[in-house]
Amino acid sequence: GAGVSQTPSNKVTEKGKYVELRCDPISGHTALYWYRQSLGQGPEFLIYFQGTGAADDSGLPNDRFFAVRPEGSVSTLKIQRTERGDSAVYLCASSLNPRLVPTDTQYFGPGTRLTVL
Amino acid sequence: AQSVTQLGSHVSVSEGALVLLRCNYSSSVPPYLFWYVQYPNQGLQLLLKYTSAATLVKGINGFEAEFKKSETSFHLTKPSAHMSDAAEYFCAVGGGNQFYFGTGTSLTVIP
Repeated sequence: GAGVSQTPSNKVTEKGKYVELRCDPISGHTALYWYRQSLGQGPEFLIYFQGTGAADDSGLPNDRFFAVRPEGSVSTLKIQRTERGDSAVYLCASSLNPRLVPTDTQYFGPGTRLTVL
Repeated sequence: AQSVTQLGSHVSVSEGALVLLRCNYSSSVPPYLFWYVQYPNQGLQLLLKYTSAATLVKGINGFEAEFKKSETSFHLTKPSAHMSDAAEYFCAVGGGNQFYFGTGTSLTVIP
């Protein structure tokens, strides 16, 4: 596609439920990043994929968070047993050449706004 | 460790006036520095980046930033503000596989 897309744009769930957030990167981009942006804050790094593998997942806050990218394109961020503190905008970004990290330009999607009631 | 600090969470300028958004960084290695802009309900868009070439970096929409190692700063400027510049601006530093973003500066342009 023309840009990074994320679905859904908004997700409202109840505390304790499971959610999946989807990211469709720019075609041909091998690097994919997930960030979390809380209200009034800048994006916070969660995880980085090179192709199918998670090259750096040090930003995942705990084991309730998990992400996959099975075919090296679309990625899904999964959150188990959601908590109210998980409410935030989840951003996805992709870049063309992972060997140029961190200088390679990241292209961001519009985000998924997650609200946990 | 790397981090950025953006001074001023809100900045207001008159249309046509100089825009100055401040960013100071902390890095134990030569930094890669970025400015992103976020319009309402849109994704972050890269304005410009510093990758150890020229210290004065020109970006899109008339913005530029100067890397000053002695001041550990990477302030964003634009000579003349337009109404369309109203947005949230984020400074970021790149290191390893990660990017560290500042808390953002909301720019308001007054007609």
